[in-house]
Amino acid sequence: EAQVTQNPRYLITVTGKKLTVTCSQNMNHEYMSWYRQDPGLGLRQIYYSMNVEVTDKGDVPEGYKVSRKEKRNFPLILESPSPNQTSLYFCASSREVPVYEQYFGPGTRLTVT
Amino acid sequence: AQSVTQLDSQVPVFEEAPVELRCNYSSSVSVYLFWYVQYPNQGLQLLLKYLSGSTLVESINGFEAEFNKSQTSFHLRKPSVHISDTAEYFCAVSDVGYSTLTFGKGTMLLVSP
Repeated sequence: EAQVTQNPRYLITVTGKKLTVTCSQNMNHEYMSWYRQDPGLGLRQIYYSMNVEVTDKGDVPEGYKVSRKEKRNFPLILESPSPNQTSLYFCASSREVPVYEQYFGPGTRLTVT
Repeated sequence: AQSVTQLDSQVPVFEEAPVELRCNYSSSVSVYLFWYVQYPNQGLQLLLKYLSGSTLVESINGFEAEFNKSQTSFHLRKPSVHISDTAEYFCAVSDVGYSTLTFGKGTMLLVSP
């Protein structure tokens, strides 16, 4: 089954404790992206990657890191999480660049206390 | 820079009534336009898209949207809604030749019996 998977689905952590949210797709997509979703703000792009070893900032990259060492994986790293990073995070992938359609993962709900 | 405006944060409607969800965009170049749907506790799914050609596009579950270049709009319509259409709907725009999608803030469609 073609899908985008994220782990963990739920995470509660404390300020300053480094964490990684994994994202993996099995569709051989070139393009991958991370979004955060907050009430009243919709989805905002954090980082995206057009191919292996190619990443670029989205609209809200501060406080986040990403890497793309393999085509299928695109982890999101929070080196020192803060409460304002409490949010619902979605990973997405797309077959082509420019983006025609993105396939979204199920989401990761992160709470930073 | 592109932007998307969804004026209505919430649209309540009775079952079998028609509905229109409004979307306006701003961009200085040609665009691709999308509507995504998010059912409760799920990721986003593509509902329909406009890339080129006919300005009226349809989904498999009865939604349609019309691209109006002069009014920079891409409103979503359905002539008769079902309870199962209750979800959040996001309009998104991508400039032709670019690699990012910009989402609106979403419209929550609430269908009641």
